[in-house]
Amino acid sequence: NAGVTQTPKFQVLKTGQSMTLQCAQDMNHEYMSWYRQDPGMGLRLIHYSVGAGITDQGEVPNGYNVSRSTTEDFPLRLLSAAPSQTSVYFCASSYSSRGHALINSPLHFGNGTRLTVT
Amino acid sequence: AQSVSQHNHHVILSEAASLELGCNYSYGGTVNLFWYVQYPGQHLQLLLKYFSGDPLVKGIKGFEAEFIKSKFSFNLRKPSVQWSDTAEYFCAVNGNTGTASKLTFGTGTRLQVTL
Repeated sequence: NAGVTQTPKFQVLKTGQSMTLQCAQDMNHEYMSWYRQDPGMGLRLIHYSVGAGITDQGEVPNGYNVSRSTTEDFPLRLLSAAPSQTSVYFCASSYSSRGHALINSPLHFGNGTRLTVT
Repeated sequence: AQSVSQHNHHVILSEAASLELGCNYSYGGTVNLFWYVQYPGQHLQLLLKYFSGDPLVKGIKGFEAEFIKSKFSFNLRKPSVQWSDTAEYFCAVNGNTGTASKLTFGTGTRLQVTL
């Protein structure tokens, strides 16, 4: 069972470079989300999606773009990386029905991407 | 707006000691509460959850948590910790808004268990 797969595991970028963090899940989950984890700040929601073609902003969306063309994939794009985006990024998914993400369905997390921006 | 407070940032215990990690939330309505655990180098995984019913919830690996509505608390407990419990523990709350996007995490408590 693959679950939620994130690539790459590690990435180093220079300021101003762009890149895409990949996230794929094979559980047919409609709800997918991206979090960043920073010391002393826990997990903060960046963007989320309740189904293909639908995305919305979370708590800290600035500097990030997302798209959801398929149920399986939810890539996170950094258009112009900044040192403040140095963090560990987690993708998570859960069961939901379109427009009604079920709060009693636990999140399944990927293994994370450790990003350093110099 | 909902929020979660975990007052213990770093806890060090000897093996076999008892554990209690504090979690307090603020939200005026019905809540759903979770504890997630992140072992070193791994992703977060669900430890236990409370939706309704018995306020004492039992999770995996001998962990339990008690929801005390009057205190807005959902503390995590384990009678006797093991070295393998070394991890970071996150409390999370979701107001009963019907959407998973409103899940709010606490800042986490790092537990270190020594032999």
